[in-house]
This record gives sequence, C-alpha cells and structure tokens, in this order.
Amino acid sequence: EAQVTQNPRYLITVTGKKLTVTCSQNMNHEYMSWYRQDPGLGLRQIYYSMNVEVTDKGDVPEGYKVSRKEKRNFPLILESPSPNQTSLYFCASSGTGYSNEKLFFGSGTQLSVL
Amino acid sequence: DAKTTQPNSMESNEEEPVHLPCNHSTISGTDYIHWYRQLPSQGPEYVIHGLTSNVNNRMASLAIAEDRKSSTLILHRATLRDAAVYYCILRASPRILTGGGNKLTFGTGTQLKVEL
Repeated sequence: EAQVTQNPRYLITVTGKKLTVTCSQNMNHEYMSWYRQDPGLGLRQIYYSMNVEVTDKGDVPEGYKVSRKEKRNFPLILESPSPNQTSLYFCASSGTGYSNEKLFFGSGTQLSVL
Repeated sequence: DAKTTQPNSMESNEEEPVHLPCNHSTISGTDYIHWYRQLPSQGPEYVIHGLTSNVNNRMASLAIAEDRKSSTLILHRATLRDAAVYYCILRASPRILTGGGNKLTFGTGTQLKVEL
C-alpha cells in the first residue's frame, strides 16, 4: 500500500532535549516536505526537499533541521526543542516537485515540549 | 508566493450539493489549483486539482473561473463523512534557474459542517 509513515505518533519531551521525527515514503517520490499545524494558523511549511541532498526552507524553518540522505526518508530534527514548537507535524511527499503532482500526507506527529 | 482566500466555515445538509469557493487573485500562469481535505485526527488527503479546465473525479468536481482568479470545489451530494476542513492551495513549479518556487501555503481552510 502506498503510504507516508511518520513516527512517533505522539511525543512528549522536555525543553532542550534533541529529538528526531522520522518520515518515510514507499512510492519512490522525489519531493518531500514537513508542515506544522497550529490552531488558527493552518498548515505552515517548515522545509522541503526536491530530491536526495536537495533541501530548502519553507515559511517557518527556525529551530528545525532536515536531511535527505536517501530518497525514501526525510527526518525532521529539533536540536534544542522549545515549548513554542509544541504542535502537530505532518510529512508529505509527491512524485516530483512540479505543480501538477498531488501530495500524500502522513498521519501526523503530535509533539509536546514541556 | 500566491495566496488563497476561503470562507472560514460553511454548512450543508446531507445529500445536497456543496460549493466551496476559493479566491486566488495573484495566481501565476503555471500554478495548479489543488484541493485537499482534512478529516478530524487525520492528515490532509488529496481531493482534486486542475490548471484551467474544469475537472471531475470520483470525489468531487473543480470549477475554475475563466480568468483563473477563483475556483469552486463541488461536492455533488454531501454526506456526513464529508465533514472536514477543505484547503485550496496553489502549487507552483520549481524555478529551475533561480531556485525555490516550491513553498506551499495552506492557510486555515474552510470547515464544512454537514447536517442530517
């Protein structure tokens, strides 16, 4: 089954403790991206990747890092999480980064930073 | 980056058609109009997309204005399972020479409520 898998589904951590949220897709997609969703603010893009070793900032990249060493994986790294990064995070992928490609989303990761 | 404007919420009765509007007056010539919906406690899912012509699929229809500055998602017979937040976004193609062009702005979408 074609899917985007995020782990973990829920995560509670403390300020400053490095964490990684994993994202994997099994569709051989070139394009992957991360979003955060906050009440009243909709979905905001954090980072995206057009292909292996090609990443770029979205609208809210501060405090986050990403890497794209393999095509299927696009982990989101919070080196020193802070409470304002408490949010619902979604990973998405599409065949390419072109405008006619539809996005496939993961089920989300609810992160709480205490 | 081009933005979209949608009503915060809309209501419909079950089995009736629903027309969800979206304004995108700053759309560029090669931007595709995409619609996604998000059911409670789930990630967004694709509904439909188009460039200039109206589009139909098993989930919905997309009507695009001739000047492309607005579009309407049409659910032909709303059911309770269609209650969700619907997002209209513009997806640009990457700018090969200057880079970028792949930022996606979802906004807050339209909360569709469906009643019996």
